[in-house]
Amino acid sequence: SQTIHQWPATLVQPVGSPLSLECTVEGTSNPNLYWYRQAAGRGLQLLFYSVGIGQISSEVPQNLSASRPQDRQFILSSKKLLLSDSGFYLCAWSQSSGANVLTFGAGSRLTVL
Amino acid sequence: DAKTTQPPSMDCAEGRAANLPCNHSTISGNEYVYWYRQIHSQGPQYIIHGLKNNETNEMASLIITEDRKSSTLILPHATLRDTAVYYCIVPNDYKLSFGAGTTVTVRA
Repeated sequence: SQTIHQWPATLVQPVGSPLSLECTVEGTSNPNLYWYRQAAGRGLQLLFYSVGIGQISSEVPQNLSASRPQDRQFILSSKKLLLSDSGFYLCAWSQSSGANVLTFGAGSRLTVL
Repeated sequence: DAKTTQPPSMDCAEGRAANLPCNHSTISGNEYVYWYRQIHSQGPQYIIHGLKNNETNEMASLIITEDRKSSTLILPHATLRDTAVYYCIVPNDYKLSFGAGTTVTVRA
């Protein structure tokens, strides 16, 4: 069966520090991968999605970036965090063909101080 | 991409059916309607999806109007654990954009 792992679960970072959130999927190949962010009390915002290795589509211009170095690995990064980067970050995957059903990870809660 | 419109909130009594409406009047002929829900502090959970026929699974039923401009998600016997934000989504290719959804509160 397929599983999705996301880490770290919680982190507190100072403004201006770098960020790296990692997501891996097991039990499938060539998945579509997604990063979403949810600010406190707000809806989910699609940040990035990828349909293959090295293919990244950005939805919102910001100081975040994403990379997909391996088929089932998706990384969200920042060189310098802003206060507004605080939020709940969710990684998700779906099959590359067939129904567009997303399965989400447990999320990473980031607090920037 | 087709937009969806949902009421911001609704209450439901425990044990009763919860009917959640969604308008998607600009949906095209080959676009599916998906429903997800998000329980507080968790990632969204897939519920059901459909094209034009009514669908049912262990979680819910999905009724899509004949003109496909609206749909209703039915939770047949709501429980307190069904309290969540429910999202109706029409994807644009690979992109699923979550709007504000409907906050459903199930009351004992």
